[in-house]
Amino acid sequence: TQLLEQSPQFLSIQEGENLTVYCNSSSVFSSLQWYRQEPGEGPVLLVTVVTGGEVKKLKRLTFQFGDARKDSSLHITAAQTGDTGLYLCAGAGYSTLTFGKGTMLLVSP
Amino acid sequence: NAGVTQTPKFQVLKTGQSMTLQCAQDMNHNSMYWYRQDPGMGLRLIYYSASEGTTDKGEVPNGYNVSRLNKREFSLRLESAAPSQTSVYFCASSEALGGISSPLHFGNGTRLTVT
Repeated sequence: TQLLEQSPQFLSIQEGENLTVYCNSSSVFSSLQWYRQEPGEGPVLLVTVVTGGEVKKLKRLTFQFGDARKDSSLHITAAQTGDTGLYLCAGAGYSTLTFGKGTMLLVSP
Repeated sequence: NAGVTQTPKFQVLKTGQSMTLQCAQDMNHNSMYWYRQDPGMGLRLIYYSASEGTTDKGEVPNGYNVSRLNKREFSLRLESAAPSQTSVYFCASSEALGGISSPLHFGNGTRLTVT
C-alpha cells in the first residue's frame, strides 16, 4: 500500500505571510497532483508534476517534485484570504490515485 | 458545461434504510470513482470503474454496491445504512485510470447522515 503523509495537518497564518506544505512518501510515484478543496465543494486540481526535480509555478504558488519522486512541496508566497482551503496531494502509482489526508490552511486578514 | 453532477446534495437516513447516490459526467470520461471523506481520514476510495462495463473495489467497499449504468453515469448504493456510513461522498471522473495525465474532476459531494 502506497501512503502519502502531509504536514502540517493544520496551518493558521496572517495575510501576507509565506508558507510551505509538505507531502512525503516512502514510495515512488510516476506523478503527483495537488488539489485545493474549498468548504462545501469538491477538490479542484491545481497542478501535476511528473519529472523528478520539477518545479512549477502558478502565480504565487510554487510546486516542487522531489528528485526521487517520493515527495513534493507547495510554497505559497504572500498568502491571501482566498488561499484558505484544504490542500491535498495525490500520487499516481499502479492504478488509482493515493491521496494524502490534507493540510487545512486558514489565512486571516 | 456541468462537469460532474451529484444528487442529492444532502440526505438523512435512518439505520437500515437504503438509498442510491447518483453521479453523471458530461466530459466523455472513461473512468469514474466514488470516494468518502471523513475528518482526519482524508479521501478514501470506495469503488471505481476504469471503463464502461467494469467496476472494482477500492479501499473501503464494505456496505456499498455500484453500477456503471453507461459511460456517463455511475451510481453508489447503500443497501442497509449504518451510522458508520455518515460521511461526505464524492464522485469523480477522469479520462483514463491511473492519473498520470488524467486528473480527477470531482462533483460537489453528497452529505449523508445516518441516525
